[in-house]
Amino acid sequence: DSGVTQTPKHLITATGQRVTLRCSPRSGDLSVYWYQQSLDQGLQFLIQYYNGEERAKGNILERFSAQQFPDLHSELNLSSLELGDSALYFCASSVEVTNSYNEQFFGPGTRLTVL
Amino acid sequence: GQSLEQPSEVTAVEGAIVQINCTYQTSGFYGLSWYQQHDGGAPTFLSYNALDGLEETGRFSSFLSRSDSYGYLLLQELQMKDSASYFCAVKTGGFKTIFGAGTRLFVKA
Repeated sequence: DSGVTQTPKHLITATGQRVTLRCSPRSGDLSVYWYQQSLDQGLQFLIQYYNGEERAKGNILERFSAQQFPDLHSELNLSSLELGDSALYFCASSVEVTNSYNEQFFGPGTRLTVL
Repeated sequence: GQSLEQPSEVTAVEGAIVQINCTYQTSGFYGLSWYQQHDGGAPTFLSYNALDGLEETGRFSSFLSRSDSYGYLLLQELQMKDSASYFCAVKTGGFKTIFGAGTRLFVKA
């Protein structure tokens, strides 16, 4: 158990809909990262938040948005869903104190299926 | 663009040694890390190299050559439970973390 929690575990929805994925980082971790993993694919970095502020942006679609709240939990909002958005979405957290690498701890993921 | 290249698949027998290579091209580099992911599971951290050389952690070792933009993960005394996907990752300038596409390791009896 990494200490990172994600809800829900599974989500099935229809095209055009909007969903919210939730992540609670490990106690003490200030950084939260979101990744998308499509079937048999690598991890695509979406976005990173540090202590409530957006820190880095990857290949995140305009239909997607995220935020990190004062209690450090984070939400990833996916709207106008398309079939191609079906994937496993991982949240990870790290201490991220300095501008060097910090081990990322991954949550169990949310499997999104868009029908 | 920024990219990490690693083989898509590697097969080895139990008890053997296997090396998974990773070459990278990124703007900014803070180090190379490796993650393991079993089917249906979350990635878990294995190792990190910021400086050139070999880092050993039990049966796993990781190597980095910054001048060659190259690194590898070495798995020794392979066990069936090592069958998984292995990802290299680089933290680039601008705080982005770029992952390779992953190498699927099959360990045969």
